[in-house]
Amino acid sequence: AQKVTQAQTEISVVEKEDVTLDCVYETRDTTYYLFWYKQPPSGELVFLIRRNSFDEQNEISGRYSWNFQKSTSSFNFTITASQVVDSAVYFCALTRGQGGKLIFGQGTELSVKP
Amino acid sequence: GAGVSQSPSNKVTEKGKDVELRCDPISGHTALYWYRQSLGQGLEFLIYFQGNSAPDKSGLPSDRFSAERTGGSVSTLTIQRTQQEDSAVYLCASSLNFPGSLNGDTQYFGPGTRLTVL
Repeated sequence: AQKVTQAQTEISVVEKEDVTLDCVYETRDTTYYLFWYKQPPSGELVFLIRRNSFDEQNEISGRYSWNFQKSTSSFNFTITASQVVDSAVYFCALTRGQGGKLIFGQGTELSVKP
Repeated sequence: GAGVSQSPSNKVTEKGKDVELRCDPISGHTALYWYRQSLGQGLEFLIYFQGNSAPDKSGLPSDRFSAERTGGSVSTLTIQRTQQEDSAVYLCASSLNFPGSLNGDTQYFGPGTRLTVL
């Protein structure tokens, strides 16, 4: 069975702090894909990143970076120098690939205070 | 280009009534998914359509829920005899799912329909 765990339910930081959102997954598949989505107060889920199981390279996009480690089944997300606009619920998700349903974690609500 | 659109954005109905929720996927996307987001259950998969193949209905919670996709594009999710526990945000997503496409499995979500059953 596939499962995604986001142990941090809520995180509160002050602007400009760095913050890491944890994601641990379980799957028996050798091929799988991991995602992060952002859900701002407006409610729409916004795609942030996709990673396949064969590519463990870390990725950086501006203030966002992702650390994928198969050895610990983790796909953590770090926001550097957080801003108020980063306040949202962040979801980590897992799928078997094309046509596969997304299995979501419970989400981490990030609050960035000025 | 245009993203996934859903209508209505909000729907309030009385217990026992039927409701229809609509989803317009991104043009050219062959796969369409419905999910439900509720406080107690988080984000749950409901149903998946791929081209002309039989849909994956494994996530539908009861036989009161059904969905169809006409012409490989627009989809309608129907909930019959609504119950209060059906209150949730219903999200639609679409993906390219073209063989060999890079990132073809990435699902893009619509704004959702908030359903309230009184």
